[in-house]
Amino acid sequence: QVQLVQSGAEVKKPGASVKVSCKASGYTFTGYYMHWVRQAPGQGLEWMGWINPNSGGTNYAQKFQGRVTMTRDTSISTAYMELSRLRSDDTAVYYCARPITPMTTVTGSSDWGQGTLVTVSS
Amino acid sequence: QSALTQPPSASGSPGQSVTISCTGTSSDVGGYNYVSWYQQHPGKAPKLMIYEVSKRPSGVPDRFSGSKSGNTASLTVSGLQAEDEADYYCSSYAGSNNPYVVFGGGTKLTVL
Repeated sequence: QVQLVQSGAEVKKPGASVKVSCKASGYTFTGYYMHWVRQAPGQGLEWMGWINPNSGGTNYAQKFQGRVTMTRDTSISTAYMELSRLRSDDTAVYYCARPITPMTTVTGSSDWGQGTLVTVSS
Repeated sequence: QSALTQPPSASGSPGQSVTISCTGTSSDVGGYNYVSWYQQHPGKAPKLMIYEVSKRPSGVPDRFSGSKSGNTASLTVSGLQAEDEADYYCSSYAGSNNPYVVFGGGTKLTVL
């Protein structure tokens, strides 16, 4: 079965960077894009961007351009999301999510990681 | 890249039907048949309930259905059950030249 297992919770100071990992299993890692979505406490879902694990190509939400970097390591079927210059309003649960359809970004995501809480506090 | 508009709350009694709307623009909901709906229980990851406007993933009960008219998509939950109480989010693919994904603000569904 498909599993996305994310790294553990992080506490960071303002201005620092955080890198969250998402290890995939149960399917061909390079056959599906990977989205990253975040959710601030008590708030809604916010799309951050996607990565094509096959090519490494990325597309970031306008809001995060210049601060976010999505990468992958195909040898260990793991995707990464790094967010820099952290602010207090970046405190959120960060999710990786795999679309239901191979090699497309347009459909919904049927498989989600368990989420990684990133807390930004001085 | 503005968020889609959903009502903050909806409610219904067990066995009843409830419909949640999701309004966007011709650049997102109205422009593509790529609307999805997610259910999220407290402290849990979202669960895909509907994709491509009206398709149900395997395992999702047929009590959940989706539709779209113009710039507004809708999720209907029929035969409400206690376990349907959750937050529901719509999302849409958007932007042909510079593609992105946009979510709605979420609707809290209460089963009375």
